[in-house]
Amino acid sequence: DVKVTQSSRYLVKRTGEKVFLECVQDMDHENMFWYRQDPGLGLRLIYFSYDVKMKEKGDIPEGYSVSREKKERFSLILESASTNQTSMYLCASSFTGGSGNTIYFGEGSWLTVV
Amino acid sequence: GESVGLHLPTLSVQEGDNSIINCAYSNSASDYFIWYKQESGKGPQFIIDIRSNMDKRQGQRVTVLLNKTVKHLSLQIAATQPGDSAVYFCARNTGNQFYFGTGTSLTVIP
Repeated sequence: DVKVTQSSRYLVKRTGEKVFLECVQDMDHENMFWYRQDPGLGLRLIYFSYDVKMKEKGDIPEGYSVSREKKERFSLILESASTNQTSMYLCASSFTGGSGNTIYFGEGSWLTVV
Repeated sequence: GESVGLHLPTLSVQEGDNSIINCAYSNSASDYFIWYKQESGKGPQFIIDIRSNMDKRQGQRVTVLLNKTVKHLSLQIAATQPGDSAVYFCARNTGNQFYFGTGTSLTVIP
């Protein structure tokens, strides 16, 4: 059974704090993604990675960075959290290339910045 | 450009009735379409997929129809149950790119 695990389900952080969101997948997928999901806006891509140590900016990368040191793990970093980063964050993974790739999601991390 | 949308933000159906959730897309170069179900407070779950060389695919109580002429995708849920209440959204995959609709919130009335 496919599994994408986000280690933190609910976090409350203060403005200016550094925040780490961790994600692990057990499907040997090459691609990993971080999205944020806000009411009425759907899924917006923050960053994705197609290989270890590789990363590409998505649609809304400002205020975020990522790290992929191992194939199975993809971390999202908020260098200095702000209240407008309060959101649900979804990690996902997929195989690479060709067509017919399904993307699998984790359960989400709810971040509140106060 | 690339876009995927959904026709209705909300849909209410009586328990036992069939549900139809629609999705439109704008790019004809898509290879693969996926429907997801997202329950409150949870991540999206894969329901069913369809390749662009198919018109119809059936799963357990769900059917996806693809009309490439009008660039329209629909998800049909037979005999809708309370556990089907969730947000449903479609997705397109082309290579390493995924495009998502904003979702239809389905409410099942007992």
